[in-house]
Amino acid sequence: AQSVAQPEDQVNVAEGNPLTVKCTYSVSGNPYLFWYVQYPNRGLQFLLKYITGDNLVKGSYGFEAEFNKSQTSFHLKKPSALVSDSALYFCAVRDIPRSSASKIIFGSGTRLSIRP
Amino acid sequence: DSGVTQTPKHLITATGQRVTLRCSPRSGDLSVYWYQQSLDQGLQFLIQYYNGEERAKGNILERFSAQQFPDLHSELNLSSLELGDSALYFCASSALGGSSTDTQYFGPGTRLTVL
Repeated sequence: AQSVAQPEDQVNVAEGNPLTVKCTYSVSGNPYLFWYVQYPNRGLQFLLKYITGDNLVKGSYGFEAEFNKSQTSFHLKKPSALVSDSALYFCAVRDIPRSSASKIIFGSGTRLSIRP
Repeated sequence: DSGVTQTPKHLITATGQRVTLRCSPRSGDLSVYWYQQSLDQGLQFLIQYYNGEERAKGNILERFSAQQFPDLHSELNLSSLELGDSALYFCASSALGGSSTDTQYFGPGTRLTVL
């Protein structure tokens, strides 16, 4: 069964430093991977997705994610963190559908805290 | 703003009651998804509708039901409410429904509190 894991409940980074939010997945077949961000009292916002092609995917707000098939990982990165990046981040995976009833599975979320 | 709207924003009710949550998808999107977000269960997929028909089912309780209307808006009905149903309920929409490459766009959510 497909699954996604975010091993860190919380990540703390100083402003200006690079950040990484980890995600690993398990699917049968090629994965379609997504990152979403949730700000307080808001819905989830789409950041980026990997479908195929270049392993480095660029998304919104300066974020990027690197797909690593051998390590089954899709870590979210940003070269220089901002205080405004503080939020809850979700990794999600969607298997290639064998039927039209394909589902998307979300990780448990990682709370990113950027200190000034 | 994702273009997905949800009403109401907040709902407070008592155990045993029934409530209806409403979602309007982005213009042109055919699929609507419902999710429940609680502190202990994380973000759980409930159900998906595509162009008026149920497409996929997740961890949706029998006390819960949903439908998608001809104008593509959707309603999630929660009945015989229990304290544990208190959560944020999100609606998302996507352009298609059978494609894994579809990006889902989320509404702001409805916060349900059951007292």
